[in-house]
This record gives sequence, structure tokens and C-alpha cells, in this order.
Amino acid sequence: GAVVSQHPSWVICKSGTSVKIECRSLDFQATTMFWYRQFPKQSLMLMATSNEGSKATYEQGVEKDKFLINHASLTLSTLTVTSAHPEDSSFYICSAITSGRAYNEQFFGPGTRLTVL
Amino acid sequence: QKEVEQNSGPLSVPEGAIASLNCTYSDRVSQSFFWYRQYSGKSPELIMSIYSNGDKEDGRFTAQLNKASQYVSLLIRDSQPSDSATYLCAVNSDTGRRALTFGSGTRLQVQP
Repeated sequence: GAVVSQHPSWVICKSGTSVKIECRSLDFQATTMFWYRQFPKQSLMLMATSNEGSKATYEQGVEKDKFLINHASLTLSTLTVTSAHPEDSSFYICSAITSGRAYNEQFFGPGTRLTVL
Repeated sequence: QKEVEQNSGPLSVPEGAIASLNCTYSDRVSQSFFWYRQYSGKSPELIMSIYSNGDKEDGRFTAQLNKASQYVSLLIRDSQPSDSATYLCAVNSDTGRRALTFGSGTRLQVQP
């Protein structure tokens, strides 16, 4: 149980294009999903918290107009990197929490590696 | 600022030995604590969660929590080369938001 998938697993795009990443909870309903970014040899940095049916809460320093998050259902959240630039190249990972679990155990998707040329 | 501190390592132990990973956190109101394992190029995998002072054992893994000292550790018994990875300590300090703060991770190398 508690399986989270992400799609795509990797993407290469040209500078200026937009990229959408999907995060799905496969066997549970995710009341809250999180989006993280991880640069090489660094730890995970929380970008935003996403609750189903409401606007995402962004961490300080994360541009909400650049990183669009939609959590339209209890099993799907999407992150769209708009007008991507090479500095946006990173490993993007989502995680999910279900109300059936105590104490905020987060289950992570496999991640999406974004390379912007 | 809420912080989670870990020694970056690498921590090198021989196969079969006990690996001891440590983590300190700054926010005294922290409620829940987690250890994740992350292999290179992969996403984190939950290993252990602990919420009360004391020890919690699961197979070869033991998590230890001391809230008074703001300290949480992970012991790996009978270490195997497959345990070689980066271990991330994560702390939840804001139960309303349910977000985790991660340490920078300790890289463990188990030598065959």
C-alpha cells in the first residue's frame, strides 16, 4: 500500500517551454501532497504544499506563477514549470499523505528529472 | 529557523557491523520524526518513524528518540553493502501544515 507514481520519470526540454509533471496516489486517497526539488548532492527542499480542492501553499522564495500546482482530485496533483530555464533543471519529487495514517508519514513518488537546455 | 542537522559523512562501516546515524533538531515542539533512505538518483524511501521517547525496532533498524536532548538516531545492525545510501532525517514541527523538514543527509558506505 501507499504507492505514489510520477510521470514522466525524466524530461528534456528547450528553454522557454512549459513542462507538466503528474503525481498520483495509486492505492489511497491523498489529502495532502507535497512538491520537493532536489539539486545534486543537496537535500530535499519543500516547494509547496497542495491540498485537494484548494490553492497550494508555497514556501518562501518559490515563485507561484512559475511553478503552477493543481490538486484537482484526491489522487492527482500536477506541477507545471512554466517558461523553464536551465536553472530549473533539477530532480522534482512529490509525496503524499493520507488521512488514514497517523503522524504525517509521507510516501514519495519516484521523482522526475528535468533537464532544460 | 527550524533546522535539522546531520553529519554529511561519509560514514564507512565494514559489512556486518552496526552503523549509527545521528540527527539533531532545533524546534522543541517537534512531534514526529522519520528516517528515509535515498539511493543515488532515486527518491526517498521511508524506513522508520518514531514519535515517543525511547527505542523503536523494526528488523535490523532501531530508531532512538530523546526529545529532551532534541536528538534522534538510527542504528542499522548487521550492515550490508546494499545499505549503502544517503539517510535523511526528517522532522515534523508544524502539525497544522503536516510538512517535513529534512536534514541534508548522511552518506553511509558499507564495505564488503
